[in-house]
Amino acid sequence: GAVVSQHPSRVICKSGTSVKIECRSLDFQATTMFWYRQFPKKSLMLMATSNEGSKATYEQGVEKDKFLINHASLTLSTLTVTSAHPEDSSFYICSARQHHYGYTFGSGTRLTVV
Amino acid sequence: TQLLEQSPQFLSIQEGENLTVYCNSSSVFSSLQWYRQEPGEGPVLLVTVVTGGEVKKLKRLTFQFGDARKDSSLHITAAQPGDTGLYLCAGSNTGNQFYFGTGTSLTVIP
Repeated sequence: GAVVSQHPSRVICKSGTSVKIECRSLDFQATTMFWYRQFPKKSLMLMATSNEGSKATYEQGVEKDKFLINHASLTLSTLTVTSAHPEDSSFYICSARQHHYGYTFGSGTRLTVV
Repeated sequence: TQLLEQSPQFLSIQEGENLTVYCNSSSVFSSLQWYRQEPGEGPVLLVTVVTGGEVKKLKRLTFQFGDARKDSSLHITAAQPGDTGLYLCAGSNTGNQFYFGTGTSLTVIP
């Protein structure tokens, strides 16, 4: 089956620093990956759609300069939270769509900004 | 923008009881999926429904897709503590966009 690996699973950073989260499709190529943000006991909010070789498509209200997305290859998309602040603390999840398996999700990254 | 509204938002029941979770939208979806998520992990796919009126069963879980492909329901029979988790419906349209419902947090008390 399709597997998506997300790293790191947990990260604590100081306010003002940047954090990079990686999302890899391990056994399939993903031309499109998605990034979500989730608050405790709440649903996943789509942040952006990451397209290989082109600019990401951001959802309304998501700051492009705050959440930088790069999809440099068919198996890797990265989300960089720039100049992180405590309000950016959240659970971030990526997913990738693979033709026969539908949407597969990473295990998520718990970001805490102190 | 949440296109899919789930109800109830929170549900706490005793082991052995039955329950139904609803997922409603004003939009038509080409397919709809149900996921279960545990704290600190990504969602795990339970089922995909694509045909209006379709009913799928997964052990004690029964999923139904509305005739108009705008809504869906998840029914759990004889709930067990292991069913505890966040249940999410998610819809996909022809534009390759994929949106989650508002979520239902289920707690099954032993």
